[in-house]
Amino acid sequence: QVQLVESGGGLVKPGGSLRLSCAASGFTFSDYYMSWIRQAPGKGLEWVSYISSSGSTIYYADSVKGRFTISRDNAKNSLYLQMNSLRAEDTAVYYCARVGMVRGVLGYMDVWGKGTTVTVSS
Amino acid sequence: VIWMTQSPSLLSASTGDRVTISCRMSQGISSYLAWYQQKPGKAPELLIYAASTLQSGVPSRFSGSGSGTDFTLTISCLQSEDFATYYCQQYYSFPWTFGQGTKVEIK
Repeated sequence: QVQLVESGGGLVKPGGSLRLSCAASGFTFSDYYMSWIRQAPGKGLEWVSYISSSGSTIYYADSVKGRFTISRDNAKNSLYLQMNSLRAEDTAVYYCARVGMVRGVLGYMDVWGKGTTVTVSS
Repeated sequence: VIWMTQSPSLLSASTGDRVTISCRMSQGISSYLAWYQQKPGKAPELLIYAASTLQSGVPSRFSGSGSGTDFTLTISCLQSEDFATYYCQQYYSFPWTFGQGTKVEIK
């Protein structure tokens, strides 16, 4: 079945780095745009980053621009998020999600992983 | 940035009630709006996209309407499994943004 599984979360000190991974299965990964969304404890959803199916088009939220890097390996059916210069406010559950498209318009997230928790604390 | 105002933030209702949740945009987004349901400790699930298209497998008691700046999610007959938090999301332009969420609780 269609599935996304995140990994790589954990406890990291402020200023540290972490790399999240998302393994996709059950669909042709290389056909789909992908995204990362996060949710701070007790808070709402925040879109973080987006990558096109080929990896040629990338967008970031202003809150992470210059610190986070999204990438993908279509041969490995995997999505990544490299997070550098982490701050306490980056503490959240990070979800990877498949971006749906209808009539050439994409942007809703139709498949979500269960999430991986990132805690930034000294 | 497109700002979203979702209301109410908390909605108390009973099983069988008809409930509506509103999402208002700071500028027009045509029909580029999605609705999600999230239960505690779980990932969000897509309910509706393109403002009114029901995602496959979602019960027909859920419906969405609106275009431009004003959108509504309606649950026609609230079931016990519908008590959750609901979010709207615009995908008209980057950065994609979510509403603040509406928690539907048992009255």
